Amino acid sequence: DAKTTQPTSMDCAEGRAANLPCNHSTISGNEYVYWYRQIHSQGPQYIIHGLKNNETNEMASLIITEDRKSSTLILPHATLRDTAVYYCIDRDNYGQNFVFGPGTRLSVLP
Amino acid sequence: EAGVAQSPRYKIIEKRQSVAFWCNPISGHATLYWYQQILGQGPKLLIQFQNNGVVDDSQLPKDRFSAERLKGVDSTLKIQPAKLEDSAVYLCASSLGSGGSPAYEQYFGPGTRLTVT
Repeated sequence: DAKTTQPTSMDCAEGRAANLPCNHSTISGNEYVYWYRQIHSQGPQYIIHGLKNNETNEMASLIITEDRKSSTLILPHATLRDTAVYYCIDRDNYGQNFVFGPGTRLSVLP
Repeated sequence: EAGVAQSPRYKIIEKRQSVAFWCNPISGHATLYWYQQILGQGPKLLIQFQNNGVVDDSQLPKDRFSAERLKGVDSTLKIQPAKLEDSAVYLCASSLGSGGSPAYEQYFGPGTRLTVT
């Protein structure tokens, strides 16, 4: 079973920031937080990952709380093409595999 | 760079028939994964290969599912005989490695949508 919990669905207005929360209260010290998204009829796509520090790349920002029990994925200026299911996963880098939960269905509205 | 290729994209079969899916990973990726994604759920790992050896097949229903990765590159996943509950999207993914180093993100193919009637 997935070790993270996420809201089932969220809406966001086009051009606004989308903030997707994830709870990973049982995360251990060597586990990273990964985010993937899956656009309809496509395979999942890697977005970003982090361990302790906040991370930013060309797609998104990842804010991890100091106690590491939760995180937020931020899409700074959501577009219609960001409509997708977003998965938050915690795993280590020593052989653990990704366990996907049902994710959050983000709808970006015009 | 070319992504993960899968074929066919769609397949419809009757129960008790057999079916095979093919995957070509990104060049140089040592690790290959097959996932099953049932409608409304996240992908579930079926099997993981490191080069041509199996690393994890604990969730593969071995009485009907089989997979191989000859020569450590392409892979095939077979179902024989298929059941109605096998209707799903079968995703192939690849990564540079499987652990021991940071950030081996997985790259997914478009998937094969299987419908068993």
